[in-house]
Amino acid sequence: ETGVTQTPRHLVMGMTNKKSLKCEQHLGHNAMYWYKQSAKKPLELMFVYSLEERVENNSVPSRFSPECPNSSHLFLHLHTLQPEDSALYLCASSPLGEKLFFGSGTQLSVL
Amino acid sequence: RKEVEQDPGPFNVPEGATVAFNCTYSNSASQSFFWYRQDCRKEPKLLMSVYSSGNEDGRFTAQLNRASQYISLLIRDSKLSDSATYLCVVGTGANNLFFGTGTRLTVIP
Repeated sequence: ETGVTQTPRHLVMGMTNKKSLKCEQHLGHNAMYWYKQSAKKPLELMFVYSLEERVENNSVPSRFSPECPNSSHLFLHLHTLQPEDSALYLCASSPLGEKLFFGSGTQLSVL
Repeated sequence: RKEVEQDPGPFNVPEGATVAFNCTYSNSASQSFFWYRQDCRKEPKLLMSVYSSGNEDGRFTAQLNRASQYISLLIRDSKLSDSATYLCVVGTGANNLFFGTGTRLTVIP
């Protein structure tokens, strides 16, 4: 609906696993974002890519590794996560303006 | 101090009621103001931008008070479908937006 699709919708992983979240936008936007949403906390910006270059990482732990191969695709590579990393991970895109268009998110559970 | 603060609610109102939410922000240099709506287990969706002169979209009215550093959202004639969490978003640009924790609204038949 919003033109931003995320996969998978749900993910359960152990602390030693490696997985990747995928985001694709079909809106022709120039900026893409990863946000983390934990229960009872505000959305936290993790990474920003503008014109395929990373512009912000907000001191995110290195167990989260973003990749932006082109302006339409964004990945978040996960490894050796902790249980406290369990959250909803949201991808968003923006036309270098201000409005964010979100994907439906990946609900991640780390066991 | 938090960048953006909202009353978490919940606000439980009957159908047809008028309800208002306020949101305060700490950075006086903020230039971008939005209200997003988030349904349970869904992604946030832009409800409306907030402009200095105030703006209206159907039953929804948003206002900005720069002097007191708050924005508001007024919903008139509440519908059952308005039940959601309303997120206040403030920042200096798309790469510097801060979200509130959200105000939960439940409209009761």
